[in-house]
Amino acid sequence: SQELEQSPQSLIVQEGKNLTINCTSSKTLYGLYWYKQKYGEGLIFLMMLQKGGEEKSHEKITAKLDEKKQQSSLHITASQPSHAGIYLCGADVTGGGNKLTFGTGTQLKVEL
Amino acid sequence: DTAVSQTPKYLVTQMGNDKSIKCEQNLGHDTMYWYKQDSKKFLKIMFSYNNKELIINETVPNRFSPKSPDKAHLNLHINSLELGDSAVYFCASSQDGLAGVRYNEQFFGPGTRLTVL
Repeated sequence: SQELEQSPQSLIVQEGKNLTINCTSSKTLYGLYWYKQKYGEGLIFLMMLQKGGEEKSHEKITAKLDEKKQQSSLHITASQPSHAGIYLCGADVTGGGNKLTFGTGTQLKVEL
Repeated sequence: DTAVSQTPKYLVTQMGNDKSIKCEQNLGHDTMYWYKQDSKKFLKIMFSYNNKELIINETVPNRFSPKSPDKAHLNLHINSLELGDSAVYFCASSQDGLAGVRYNEQFFGPGTRLTVL
């Protein structure tokens, strides 16, 4: 099994709908990162969370790290076609700092 | 100006060949990484260098050898390519060691899609 599990694996939503992607680990998540990847491109940084209970927002995307620091969620409000892509969570699960373990990814499609 | 650049973007080669992928970052970062993304989009770290010194070396075949001529460059050389090496390889960099800041964003390159025939 993977150290970081993302759910759902894929998601199709209608434009304007809200959605949530989860990232779960059995280990403590130190330095939790959310990235977005479009087909054929590199990863675009969205947000980073460090403290239990922390929440950050950017435009219509909100990310939270739970109090126990073992689960993070990414919530998109009023989805748009520009939100389509693969969302990846990455985290340091060793506490060492540099080494990121990535989740299994969530493919998001937004239909008009 | 591109922050993290990789060349080539696409690489198609025969089994058994030796190939290199180059990576350069102009962000002044201290640490660089190589990741491999397989066909299922699973991204896994391979190597990391900090100021030209290897700091992370995951369980990767010896056929893969990273080289960092200076802290702005991290190249990946692959010997005797195998079918299973087909993947997208991403280079990334981050600024570490800032006082009081332990975790810093990793900036990713656009990826190199390697296809081994």
